[in-house]
Formats: sequence, C-alpha cells, structure tokens
Amino acid sequence: AQTVTQSQPEMSVQEAETVTLSCTYDTSESDYYLFWYKQPPSRQMILVIRQEAYKQQNATENRFSVNFQKAAKSFSLKISDSQLGDAAMYLCAYRSEEKLTFGTGTRLTIIP
Amino acid sequence: NAGVTQTPKFRVLKTGQSMTLLCAQDMNHEYMYWYRQDPGMGLRLIHYSVGEGTTAKGEVPDGYNVSRLKKQNFLLGLESAAPSQTSVYFCASSSWGAWGSAEAFFGQGTRLTVV
Repeated sequence: AQTVTQSQPEMSVQEAETVTLSCTYDTSESDYYLFWYKQPPSRQMILVIRQEAYKQQNATENRFSVNFQKAAKSFSLKISDSQLGDAAMYLCAYRSEEKLTFGTGTRLTIIP
Repeated sequence: NAGVTQTPKFRVLKTGQSMTLLCAQDMNHEYMYWYRQDPGMGLRLIHYSVGEGTTAKGEVPDGYNVSRLKKQNFLLGLESAAPSQTSVYFCASSSWGAWGSAEAFFGQGTRLTVV
C-alpha cells in the first residue's frame, strides 16, 4: 500500500522569507503523480502544484516549487517570499491510477 | 461550472441514526472518493469508485457504505452513526491518463457531529 509521510506537523516562517515543507512517500509503482494541496481555514482544498513521476524537471508555479527526488521518494515544497495569505494546512498527496493518498499535513504559520 | 458539490454542509446526528451524504460532479470524471479529516490525521480514504457501478474499500471503511449508481453521483451512507464518526467529510473526483491531469477536485466538505 502506498503511504505518504509528512514529518513536520507545524512550521513557521517570517513574512518574505523562504520555507521548505517535506514529504516522503512509499510506492512500488512507476506511473504516478504527486501533489501539494493547500487548505486554509475555510476548509477549501486548493491545488498548489503537481508533479508527474516520469518528468525529471521539478515543477514550479510562481513562488512555489518542488524538489522531486524520485529515487529517494521525496517531494518537498519550497515557498519563496512567504506571504500572510500562505498561512494554511499543506497536504502532500500521492496519486496512482485508482487511489489518492494523503499525508497528515503541515500547518504553516506566517509571522508578520 | 459547479465542479464537485456535497450536500449537506453541516449535520448533527444522534447516536444510532442513519444518514446519506451526496456527492455530485459535473466533470464526467471516472474516479470518485470519500475521505474523512480528523485533527492531526490528514485525509483518510473511506471508499472510492473507479467508475459507474463500482466501489472499493479504502483505509477506514468500517461503519460506512457507498453506492455509485450514476457516474456523476457518489453516495456515502452511515447506517448507525457513532460518536467516532464525528468528522469533516470530503468528496473528490478526478480523471486519469490521457483523459485528464489526474488532479482531484474537492467538494466543500461536510461537518458531521454525532452526539
């Protein structure tokens, strides 16, 4: 069974600084996707970034980028120039064809 | 474009009562999921479906049943609610491979309290 591990229950960062959230996963499959979702207090699930396993290039979306290490099964999220609106729960997710499996989340606090 | 719609958004049940949560999607997605979210535990998969007429158990299926009679709808039932089922429930849908991006689209969640 696939598992996703987020070892940082809580993180904090100074506004305008950079923070990295870690995520590791376990799988024996070769075809899969990885995602980071943001969940603000409204509970809405917002896709932040997506990575296809067959792509070696790390995905980037504006201030958000990932470090995808396929052999190490690691998928960390870097947030640059942190803003107050980035405060939320961040959930790492692994998607095989059938299932979508989440980690336990990292709650990110932005310090003004 | 409505996306994924869950009903109801809030519900309070007494122990032993039954209820059904409805999830509807208008994106023609094959895959649909039901999750529960509890503090410190992320989203845990209850049941999922890979197409109309199919269902499968996820990580925490006990006490829940599901049905997918129509492609656009995925129902989650609680036959005899227990306080341990107090949680926030999310429905999601997605495509796969050549038919889409594999991204999951989520409903707004249902906060269920069992007293």
